[in-house]
Amino acid sequence: DVKVTQSSRYLVKRTGEKVFLECVQDMDHENMFWYRQDPGLGLRLIYFSYDVKMKEKGDIPEGYSVSREKKERFSLILESASTNQTSMYLCASTVTGVYGYTFGSGTRLTVV
Amino acid sequence: GQQLNQSPQSMFIQEGEDVSMNCTSSSIFNTWLWYKQDPGEGPVLLIALYKAGELTSNGRLTAQFGITRKDSFLNISASIPSDVGIYFCAGQLYYGQNFVFGPGTRLSVLP
Repeated sequence: DVKVTQSSRYLVKRTGEKVFLECVQDMDHENMFWYRQDPGLGLRLIYFSYDVKMKEKGDIPEGYSVSREKKERFSLILESASTNQTSMYLCASTVTGVYGYTFGSGTRLTVV
Repeated sequence: GQQLNQSPQSMFIQEGEDVSMNCTSSSIFNTWLWYKQDPGEGPVLLIALYKAGELTSNGRLTAQFGITRKDSFLNISASIPSDVGIYFCAGQLYYGQNFVFGPGTRLSVLP
């Protein structure tokens, strides 16, 4: 069964900490995405990547960075976590030309 | 950026009832997707629509690509408790562009 795996389901971090959210897919997909989900706002795109070492800003990149050193892995980095980054974070992947993203189960991050 | 609106925001229905929800945009889209998110999980693709007027079913679910290409509809017949969750629409303006997601419709099914 194909999968997008996010390393943590729940995380609690302190304000100012550097936070890494990891995502791995086993489907050889070129495209990977990071979204955050907040009630009433739906899914908002933070960053995406079309290939190894490539990254593009989404709609809300401020306060975040990403890393894609290997095709199967896409990491989201919060350089200095803040309370307004408390949210559900979803990773997704897809093959170019194939509609429909495959999502991970999400990481619920709480910043205190 | 582009925005999608979903209606209703939430709904409570009795088990066995039919459900209708929609997704609208001010822009013309060339592809519509419908996802369902179970509590505590990531969204899962339900139905994909590629042509204006297209009607596609997946079990008790039926979705339509609006003829104006600015909207899409999802119907669920004879709802059951496992239909509970958040239903998202997603639209794509043109091939290769990232999808835009709506804010979701939260469905609750009462026994």
